[in-house]
Amino acid sequence: ILNVEQSPQSLHVQEGDSTNFTCSFPSSNFYALHWYRWETAKSPEALFVMTLNGDEKKKGRISATLNTKEGYSYLYIKGSQPEDSATYLCAFPLYNTDKLIFGTGTRLQVFP
Amino acid sequence: DGGITQSPKYLFRKEGQNVTLSCEQNLNHDAMYWYRQDPGQGLRLIYYSQIVNDFQKGDIAEGYSVSREKKESFPLTVTSAQKNPTAFYLCASGGREAFFGQGTRLTVV
Repeated sequence: ILNVEQSPQSLHVQEGDSTNFTCSFPSSNFYALHWYRWETAKSPEALFVMTLNGDEKKKGRISATLNTKEGYSYLYIKGSQPEDSATYLCAFPLYNTDKLIFGTGTRLQVFP
Repeated sequence: DGGITQSPKYLFRKEGQNVTLSCEQNLNHDAMYWYRQDPGQGLRLIYYSQIVNDFQKGDIAEGYSVSREKKESFPLTVTSAQKNPTAFYLCASGGREAFFGQGTRLTVV
């Protein structure tokens, strides 16, 4: 079984703080890495799909980097806001299949 | 509107009963998935299907069954053999990225 690990499991920050968390995945046979944001009572929504080593993607205050050689991706949130509170999931599709393996997620809570 | 529809949102099952969770998509995706979430755990893959009339077991398929007779539909049956069925179930479909339904919360009473 391939493991996709995320850390930390949960994070509590004050409004305005910047924060980051990690997704670790198998570096062999890399195909892509997905980041999803899952707010309570809603469906998970895709943030980024990353495919190239060294990729950096940005959406507003959220950005992500990718290192396929060492098998990790960082998600950064600059100036956290209460509306950023959610669980952030990363997922790793097995090479040449549609099988998506999810990490356990990082649950972020931003306090006003 | 394009999307994924799961029903029902809440489901109560008596011990020993089979129940079927519905998942329909109109996104024209070939791949569809069923995941289970338990408190404090991530999404664990139950079954996935890459094409009509074909499906593969995920990591926790025991006690579950699926069918994929139509591209749009991927129902999940939770059988009486599933020892601990109380959980939150998410259906997804995808090409380059996954799109999720709203989920079904199943409780055994």
